Amino acid sequence: DSGVTQTPKHLITATGQRVTLRCSPRSGDLSVYWYQQSLDQGLQFLIQYYNGEERAKGNILERFSAQQFPDLHSELNLSSLELGDSALYFCASNTPTPPGTGYADTQYFGPGTRLTVL
Amino acid sequence: DAKTTQPNSMESNEEEPVHLPCNHSTISGTDYIHWYRQLPSQGPEYVIHGLTSNVNNRMASLAIAEDRKSSTLILHRATLRDAAVYYCILRDHFAGGTSYGKLTFGQGTILTVHP
Repeated sequence: DSGVTQTPKHLITATGQRVTLRCSPRSGDLSVYWYQQSLDQGLQFLIQYYNGEERAKGNILERFSAQQFPDLHSELNLSSLELGDSALYFCASNTPTPPGTGYADTQYFGPGTRLTVL
Repeated sequence: DAKTTQPNSMESNEEEPVHLPCNHSTISGTDYIHWYRQLPSQGPEYVIHGLTSNVNNRMASLAIAEDRKSSTLILHRATLRDAAVYYCILRDHFAGGTSYGKLTFGQGTILTVHP
């Protein structure tokens, strides 16, 4: 158990709909990362938040948005869903050290949310 | 991000050592080599990381070539629980801004462990 929780575990919805995925980071972790895992694209970084502020963006579609709340939990909002958005969505957390250190800055991943768009 | 190349799949027998190779010929001087693994139906988990010297922890060992263009993750005695996809990832520990923090996953190596 990584200490990161994600809800829901499974989500089935239709094209055009909007869903919200929720992530609770490990206790004390300030940073949350979202990743998407699909069969054709593999594991891809979407976005990172640090203490409520957006820190880095990856290949995140404009239809997708995220936020991190004062209690540090995060939500990933996916709208106008398409069939190709069907994937596993992982959240990870850590408290990163500043650049220039040799620390692993291990990211702790949650169990994921499996999204199926029909 | 610098690119890594790993074999698509490898097989091992239980209780035998496993050597998982990774090539990273374009590695930069500030890139650390990280390994994560993803067990079936789970999120990835950290295994080990290193810069130049070989590293050991309770899960595995990491052997890094002298020129740093390749590395090998060593599982000393594979168990059935080690069956997973293993990812070799380069992370620049000195890059700031939007490059810092994210993990860039390749296709990884699917490790099958036979009883």
